[in-house]
Amino acid sequence: EIVMTQSPATLSVSPGERVTLSCRASQSISSNLAWYQQKPGQAPSLLIYDASTRATGIPARFSGSGSGTEFTLTINRLQAEDFALYYCQQYNNWPPWTFGQGTKVEFK
Amino acid sequence: QVQLQESGPGLVKPSGTLSLTCAVSGDSVTNNNWWSWVRQPPGKGLEWIGEIYHSGGTNYNPSLKSRVTISLDKSKNRFSLEVSSVTAADTSVYYCARRSYNNGWLDYWGQGTLVTVSS
Repeated sequence: EIVMTQSPATLSVSPGERVTLSCRASQSISSNLAWYQQKPGQAPSLLIYDASTRATGIPARFSGSGSGTEFTLTINRLQAEDFALYYCQQYNNWPPWTFGQGTKVEFK
Repeated sequence: QVQLQESGPGLVKPSGTLSLTCAVSGDSVTNNNWWSWVRQPPGKGLEWIGEIYHSGGTNYNPSLKSRVTISLDKSKNRFSLEVSSVTAADTSVYYCARRSYNNGWLDYWGQGTLVTVSS
């Protein structure tokens, strides 16, 4: 099973800042990585797939990069609605599909 | 617009069987997709449980495989999850979700339903 490790666990930031979230895979997963956003009391929603492709309707301030074992989600000019939990998920080796433990972006 | 809606008992006794259903609208369970279940213990991360294809083919998380069954009801356009021999560790919010056949990501999710295992 591929283990996904996200860092940091929590990011305290202010609106307007640029935020960088990291996700590391225990072995190479090529570009087979997705990012999800989860707001309190809601289901996760797809942000990015194939490491860098934004899902339909996702603003351009969200961008993903990386391949192999190291991945990054960047949020430019953080807005109030972006304070949430973010999860990465690998889909290179299955079963099972595996998720990171999440990074919480909170208000500073 | 694709929508998924989970339903089922919110409380299950230890050693019992957890049963949930996911109703699909805006898409057909006979289309070229995998229909998945994911769970999230309170305050914790996401765990993929398993998935089913319209042919009835299934994939399960090896850690849960001995206790999990996912089935399809084409006539009602829904799919279901059963987890047997539950313990408190199975207390979670359970989500159903869709994965397009050739893709690995989950593009549509239900709102989730909390299932508590307690006597």
